[in-house]
Amino acid sequence: QVQLVESGGGVVQPGRSVRLSCAASGFTLSSYGMHWVRQAPGKGLEWLAFIQFDGDDQKYADSVKGRFSVSRDNSKNTLFLEMNSLRTEDTGFYYCARDRVLYCSGSRCDGNDYWGQGTLVTVSS
Amino acid sequence: EIVLTQSPATLSLSPGERATLSCRASQSVSAYLTWYQQKPGQAPRLLIYDATNRATGIPARFSGSGSGTDFTLTITSLEPEDFAVYYCQQRYNWPLTFGGGTKVEIK
Repeated sequence: QVQLVESGGGVVQPGRSVRLSCAASGFTLSSYGMHWVRQAPGKGLEWLAFIQFDGDDQKYADSVKGRFSVSRDNSKNTLFLEMNSLRTEDTGFYYCARDRVLYCSGSRCDGNDYWGQGTLVTVSS
Repeated sequence: EIVLTQSPATLSLSPGERATLSCRASQSVSAYLTWYQQKPGQAPRLLIYDATNRATGIPARFSGSGSGTDFTLTITSLEPEDFAVYYCQQRYNWPLTFGGGTKVEIK
């Protein structure tokens, strides 16, 4: 069955970096665009980043552009989110999610049909 | 950036009642509007994509309508498991954006 498992969260000091991973199983990662979405505790959802199925295109929310970087290793079925210059407002649960449609380019790919359980990043001194 | 405004923020209803949730976009998103359900401690769940299409396994009591700037998610008869927070998301252009959510709570 399709499974996405995030890891790498924890407590990190402001200004430092952290790398999140999302391990995919039960499907061929290289066929799907992937997203990162976060949720501050008790707040709503915030879309952060997208990487195309082949890794050739990435998109970011303005709030993280220039600080966060999304990448993927399709040979290892793993998605990454490199987070630099962390701020207290980056605290939250970070989810990876899969596009519903295979080989879809652009933003208009229906929706995200599988999500991980999330990993909590706490930015605090 | 396209701003999505969901209303009401909270909807207090009883099981069996009809729920009508609204999502309004700051500019046209055509039909590229998605709905998610989220329960406490869980990841979001895809309900509706392209404004009107139910995702796999979603019960027929959930339906979506609308195009352009005004969209509606309707739950015809609330089941106990439907009390949750619902988010809309536009996929018309980058950056993707979510609405602030509507909490459907038990009255």
